[in-house]
Amino acid sequence: DVKVTQSSRYLVKRTGEKVFLECVQDMDHENMFWYRQDPGLGLRLIYFSYDVKMKEKGDIPEGYSVSREKKERFSLILESASTNQTSMYLCASSFEDNTDTQYFGPGTRLTVL
Amino acid sequence: AQKVTQAQTEISVVEKEDVTLDCVYETRDTTYYLFWYKQPPSGELVFLIRRNSFDEQNEISGRYSWNFQKSTSSFNFTITASQVVDSAVYFCALSVKNYGQNFVFGPGTRLSVLP
Repeated sequence: DVKVTQSSRYLVKRTGEKVFLECVQDMDHENMFWYRQDPGLGLRLIYFSYDVKMKEKGDIPEGYSVSREKKERFSLILESASTNQTSMYLCASSFEDNTDTQYFGPGTRLTVL
Repeated sequence: AQKVTQAQTEISVVEKEDVTLDCVYETRDTTYYLFWYKQPPSGELVFLIRRNSFDEQNEISGRYSWNFQKSTSSFNFTITASQVVDSAVYFCALSVKNYGQNFVFGPGTRLSVLP
């Protein structure tokens, strides 16, 4: 079974704090993704990575950065959290091709006060 | 451009009723893949099915079935004899070969199954 884990289910941070969201997959997948999900806006891709140390911007990268130092780990970084980054963050991974199934983690519900 | 439409925002049914969730997609590519995911209240998106554009056979898995019709660009999902545990948001998604790494997700349909 594919397993994607995220470091926290719930997180509360203050405006201006630096926030790290961690995602780990155990299936040797090449691709990893970060999405945010907001009511009425659906799933929006923030960043993705198709290889170690490689990253590509998604649809809404502003205010975020990512790091992929190891194949199994993909981190999302909010350099200076703002209230409009309060959201559900979902990590996913897929094997190799862009059409391969994406498997999702449990999500992190981030609240920025 | 690729697009996925799920016209039903919310559906409510009573337990044991059958329910069909609609998904209509748009793409000009001939090689593409369609997906359904379930998102229960816990939040995790659970993969249900992946279907490629060359396989139009309907699929059945227990109480779940999928009807893929290229003529109408639809990939509908039916739950037979619905149960309360089927209550979730269901997403249809499209992935096109050579379009890059992005899935295109539909907006989702919230299904409530009432006891």
